Amino acid sequence: LAKTTQPISMDSYEGQEVNITCSHNNIATNDYITWYQQFPSQGPRFIIQGYKTKVTNEVASLFIPADRKSSTLSLPRVSLSDTAVYYCLLQGSARQLTFGSGTQLTVLP
Amino acid sequence: SQTIHQWPATLVQPVGSPLSLECTVEGTSNPNLYWYRQAAGRGLQLLFYSVGIGQISSEVPQNLSASRPQDRQFILSSKKLLLSDSGFYLCAWSPRGNNQPQHFGDGTRLSIL
Repeated sequence: LAKTTQPISMDSYEGQEVNITCSHNNIATNDYITWYQQFPSQGPRFIIQGYKTKVTNEVASLFIPADRKSSTLSLPRVSLSDTAVYYCLLQGSARQLTFGSGTQLTVLP
Repeated sequence: SQTIHQWPATLVQPVGSPLSLECTVEGTSNPNLYWYRQAAGRGLQLLFYSVGIGQISSEVPQNLSASRPQDRQFILSSKKLLLSDSGFYLCAWSPRGNNQPQHFGDGTRLSIL
C-alpha cells in the first residue's frame, strides 16, 4: 500500500508563508493527493486536492512535481488560527488509507 | 448543502457494556460512509467503510461492527466494550467516486472505565 511521510512538527510566525512537504514514493497512477487540517477534538477538514502540477484555492496552494513522488502544501501568510495538524493522504479508491500522524504546525505570534 | 451529524459528542461506558454510535448525512444521496478511530496524539485509523446500504467493509479485525440500515445512516456498534476501545471516533462521508474528498463529523470521545 502507498504510504506518505511528513515532518512531525513545524513552527512558524504570523504572516509568514508555510510549506509542508509530503513524500509518497509509491503513489499509484490513480491516486489523488489530498490535504486535511485538524484542530483538537474536531474532525479533519478538507483543504485541497490535486493530481499534478499546481492547484490553488482560497486558503492554500498545492504543488506537485512531474514525478508525483512528493507534494507541498503552501499556506500563505499564516495566522495563529492556522495552528493545527495537517495530514497528507493518497486517495485512489473508496478504501482509504490510514491518515498517519500528520504535521503539527504551530504558529507563533 | 450537505451536513453530517454524529452523536453523542462524549460517552463514558463501563468495560463489557454495549455501544451504539450513530452518524447521519443530509443533503446528498448514495454517499460513501466511513468510521475512523483516533488515539490520543495519533493519526486516524480507518475502521469501516460502506459504498451502499448493507455493504460494509472492515479494515481491521476488532471488537466493533458497523451497519448501514439506510442510505445516509451509519452505525458503529459493539456487544462488549474493552478498555482498548477508548478513543475519538469519527464518521465521514464522501461523494461516490474513488478520489472524492471526505467530510467529517465532529466526533465522539469514548472513554471506557
